[in-house]
This record gives sequence, structure tokens and C-alpha cells, in this order.
Amino acid sequence: DGGITQSPKYLFRKEGQNVTLSCEQNLNHDAMYWYRQDPGQGLRLIYYSQIVNDFQKGDIAEGYSVSREKKESFPLTVTSAQKNPTAFYLCASSVSESGSPLHFGNGTRLTVT
Amino acid sequence: GQQLNQSPQSMFIQEGEDVSMNCTSSSIFNTWLWYKQEPGEGPVLLIALYKAGELTSNGRLTAQFGITRKDSFLNISASIPSDVGIYFCAENAGGTSYGKLTFGQGTILTVHP
Repeated sequence: DGGITQSPKYLFRKEGQNVTLSCEQNLNHDAMYWYRQDPGQGLRLIYYSQIVNDFQKGDIAEGYSVSREKKESFPLTVTSAQKNPTAFYLCASSVSESGSPLHFGNGTRLTVT
Repeated sequence: GQQLNQSPQSMFIQEGEDVSMNCTSSSIFNTWLWYKQEPGEGPVLLIALYKAGELTSNGRLTAQFGITRKDSFLNISASIPSDVGIYFCAENAGGTSYGKLTFGQGTILTVHP
């Protein structure tokens, strides 16, 4: 079945360590996105990529980095510079056409202590 | 950035009751989307609205794109226990990246059997 796979489901790290969250899609979508979700808040956009080897900052990019070396993959690194990294991270993809909806993965819950 | 005001923040209802939630914005938008998120999962698209005044149904769900293009509502008729979850409105302000969405804060729906 086509879809978006995020791994791992739960991730625990010590403060000061960088951590990379995986996102893979087999939907042949051009565009991919990373959102962050905190309790009681809507999703906020971290980074997005419309084509391979290109990506743009979203609303809350500070302390995060991404790469887009392959169409299927869009890993997110949460760096030690991110002041409040504990959150639920959601990856999404879409066809880069007018009106195409976002398809989300099932998320990675990151806890940093 | 853009802000969406979604209300109510939470609802506790009895099975069989109808539900109504809405989103408002100070800006005009081209697309309104309604997503549902179940615990530990990513949001799933319920209804997409692309035209002012548009009224669209998906089973027991009905959503409308406000005529002013600044608001939208979602109704759920005859609620059932599996309707439990967080419902988000989202909008896309246009442009080439249709995944760059702004989300409301979410409405948490609890349905008592």
C-alpha cells in the first residue's frame, strides 16, 4: 500500500544531542513537509521541499535542519540549538499541483530530557 | 503569519447528538480543509472546500466555505463513538505550495456512548 512511513514511533534523547527523524513516502509525491504539534496547538510548519535538492524554511525552522537527496525521503534533524524539542513531529507529502491535499504519516513522538 | 480561530476548543456529547464547529480568520483564503486526528496518528483529510459558498458532504459530515471566504464550519450528524478525535481546520493562502497550511488550534471531540 502507498503511504508515508515515519520512524521510529517514539524517540528519547538527552539534551544536547542531535537527533534525526526519518520520513519515507512511496506515493511518488513531489512535495514533502515537516510539521510540529504541541498539546492544545495546531500544527506548525518547520520545513518543506517541493522538489529534490531544494527545501524552504517554514514558520518555526530555527533549531532544525533537513535534506532532500531523494524524492522518497525527507529526514528532519532536531539539533541541540532547538530550545524546546519535545513534541510530536508529523511528516506529510502532496502532489505539487493546485488543490492537492496533504497526506500525513503517523508521527514520531520525541522526548528530550 | 496567518491565524485561524477554531471553536469550540473541546466538546463532550452523547452518542447520537449533532456536532458543529467552526473556524474564522481575519484574512481571505482560497481553500478550507478539515482534518481529523486520532490519538497517536497523523491527521486525515475529511473534506476540502475550494469555492466561497461551497457546501460539501462526506457521509455524516458536512462542511461549508463561508461566503466571505473568511470562515468555515464542520457539522457531524448523529455522532458515534468512533467520531472521537481532534478536528482541525486548515487553510492554504494560495501560491505554488499547497502543502503550506495554517492550522486552527483544534476541537477535541469526546462522544459518550
